[in-house]
Amino acid sequence: DAKTTQPPSMDCAEGRAANLPCNHSTISGNEYVYWYRQIHSQGPQYIIHGLKNNETNEMASLIITEDRKSSTLILPHATLRDTAVYYCISQGFGNEKLTFGTGTRLTIIP
Amino acid sequence: GAVVSQHPSRVICKSGTSVKIECRSLDFQATTMFWYRQFPKQSLMLMATSNEGSKATYEQGVEKDKFLINHASLTLSTLTVTSAHPEDSSFYICSATTTGMVKRTEAFFGQGTRLTVV
Repeated sequence: DAKTTQPPSMDCAEGRAANLPCNHSTISGNEYVYWYRQIHSQGPQYIIHGLKNNETNEMASLIITEDRKSSTLILPHATLRDTAVYYCISQGFGNEKLTFGTGTRLTIIP
Repeated sequence: GAVVSQHPSRVICKSGTSVKIECRSLDFQATTMFWYRQFPKQSLMLMATSNEGSKATYEQGVEKDKFLINHASLTLSTLTVTSAHPEDSSFYICSATTTGMVKRTEAFFGQGTRLTVV
């Protein structure tokens, strides 16, 4: 699976959109981009995933660049409960193993 | 969404004893389960992949005789930390997936177990 790189930490004001970048420049054609988050002392929680099209669900939006070398997770109206470590993971179809990087520690500021 | 339940959430044990952690898929059949370990301020590290009815596959550097994994049914996998020592103190997390899916989907994680060995 392709390696991903993320900034170690970010702050965002409550109520604003949080934009979390991820670089996956070595991603291959059949690898999906997944986003999970981990709130302190809990198991990871799935947020969203995509292959090449932009995706949106009730939690977030995922914007994938046309060359698929990077993506951005958008939390449209961040709340204090969104404070967590966010992991961007690329995973090939048929490979169920998830390899977690260091993620981005997002802190929502009141 | 699917639910994975992990038990216990916290356990304190004496050095040299064994501890069993259970991971259950409550509303789906989990053909494959994964066990992770997470030390403070670090990311999740995959320990092993557990397939129902067969032996677990361990990641490099993980002692299979120390971390016993059993996946006897499609809804239950257990991790036993044998002869635990203080350096085994960590946050252990399981996840589950199903096979035979046509549509790509996500992994479901348990709540984690905080193991403290004293």
